[in-house]
Amino acid sequence: DTAVSQTPKYLVTQMGNDKSIKCEQNLGHDTMYWYKQDSKKFLKIMFSYNNKELIINETVPNRFSPKSPDKAHLNLHINSLELGDSAVYFCASSQIRLGLYNEQFFGPGTRLTVL
Amino acid sequence: QKEVEQDPGPLSVPEGAIVSLNCTYSNSAFQYFMWYRQYSRKGPELLMYTYSSGNKEDGRFTAQVDKSSKYISLFIRDSQPSDSATYLCAMRGKGGTSYGKLTFGQGTILTVHP
Repeated sequence: DTAVSQTPKYLVTQMGNDKSIKCEQNLGHDTMYWYKQDSKKFLKIMFSYNNKELIINETVPNRFSPKSPDKAHLNLHINSLELGDSAVYFCASSQIRLGLYNEQFFGPGTRLTVL
Repeated sequence: QKEVEQDPGPLSVPEGAIVSLNCTYSNSAFQYFMWYRQYSRKGPELLMYTYSSGNKEDGRFTAQVDKSSKYISLFIRDSQPSDSATYLCAMRGKGGTSYGKLTFGQGTILTVHP
C-alpha cells in the first residue's frame, strides 16, 4: 500500500562516517526528489531525477550524491558526515505532465542524527 | 531574504476558531500555490493547490491567492484538534527548468485545543 517508502526511518551515526538512504515509490511516477528539513521545519529541495536523469541539483555539498538505478528508486549517499547534516530527509515523487499541476507525494522521512 | 516567507508561529487556538495562515513571496514566476499539512514525525501531505490568482474551497479549508500583492492565505473554519499540525505553503513556476521545484515557506505550527 505504501506509495513512497524510505529506509531507514532513523539513522544515528558518528561524524565522518558514510551513509545511504534509500527511497522507493510504487506510484509509477517518472520523477523523484530529495528534500532536507532542518530543525526549524524548513523544507528545501536538494535533487530531482526525471526518468533517471538529474534535472534539479541545488547548492548542496558534493558529499551528497544521489543515484537513481531506475524510475522507481532514488538513493542518497552522504560521505564524511558532519554535524550540520543532522536533519530529516524526505523523498518525494510526482508524474510530470506538461502544462498541468503535478502533485508531489512525500515519503515518511529519514531522521538523520550525526554525533 | 527568502523567496517565500511564512510566519512560523506557533499558533494556538480554541476548537471551533477560524484560523488564518499566510505566506508572502518575491518571485513573480510562481504560478502554482500549495498548502501542505505535516503531522508530527510524518511526511507533508497536500491539502490544496491553486493555479494563479483566486480562491479555492474544500470543506472547511479555503485557499486564497493574490498575485498582485504576492500573498497567499489558508483559512480553516471550525478548527478541530485533529487540525493540529505544521502547515507549509509551497510554490513553483509553470514549467521549464522549474518543473517540480517546490519552494517552501518555513511552516506554521498550529495547535487547536479542545
